[in-house]
Amino acid sequence: AQKVTQAQTEISVVEKEDVTLDCVYETRDTTYYLFWYKQPPSGELVFLIRRNSFDEQNEISGRYSWNFQKSTSSFNFTITASQVVDSAVYFCALAGYSSASKIIFGSGTRLSIRP
Amino acid sequence: GAGVSQSPRYKVAKRGQDVALRCDPISGHVSLFWYQQALGQGPEFLTYFQNEAQLDKSGLPSDRFFAERPEGSVSTLKIQRTQQEDSAVYLCASSLWETSGSSPGELFFGEGSRLTVL
Repeated sequence: AQKVTQAQTEISVVEKEDVTLDCVYETRDTTYYLFWYKQPPSGELVFLIRRNSFDEQNEISGRYSWNFQKSTSSFNFTITASQVVDSAVYFCALAGYSSASKIIFGSGTRLSIRP
Repeated sequence: GAGVSQSPRYKVAKRGQDVALRCDPISGHVSLFWYQQALGQGPEFLTYFQNEAQLDKSGLPSDRFFAERPEGSVSTLKIQRTQQEDSAVYLCASSLWETSGSSPGELFFGEGSRLTVL
């Protein structure tokens, strides 16, 4: 069975603070894929990143960074110097190699950035 | 537009009515997905098409749910005899990716169809 847990339901921070969104996953596949998506108020999910299980290198894209740790089955997402436009619901997702078309989403973390 | 288009954006149905939700994917996208998103929850997988073939329908909650993509482009999700628990946002996504052993790629989502069953 595959499962994604986002324990933080809601986070609220003041603009310019750094914030980390946690994601813990479970899968029996030895090869798997992890994703982060952003869902702004308009409702349309927007792809942020995909990480393959065999690539544990962390990634940075502007103010966004991702920390993938196989040992703890975690794929955390950090926003540095947050901005009001970062306010959205963020979803972590997982697809196992054996069923790569079936992407499983976590329950999401609602992030509010206060000016 | 160039994105995934879904219609209607909002649908109110009386319990027992049949509804049809349409998805127009990005032109040339081989893969098409349907997800159900209940209020405050993450999207839940319903079904997957590669061209016109429905390769995975394991997420459809009951036989009242039916999806088709007859010409490998536009897709319709049909819900028969709607019930209150069917109230949700139904999301469609498309992708260039196909199940040929490569890593799953980016999904492009539509804005969803919000179904309310009274």
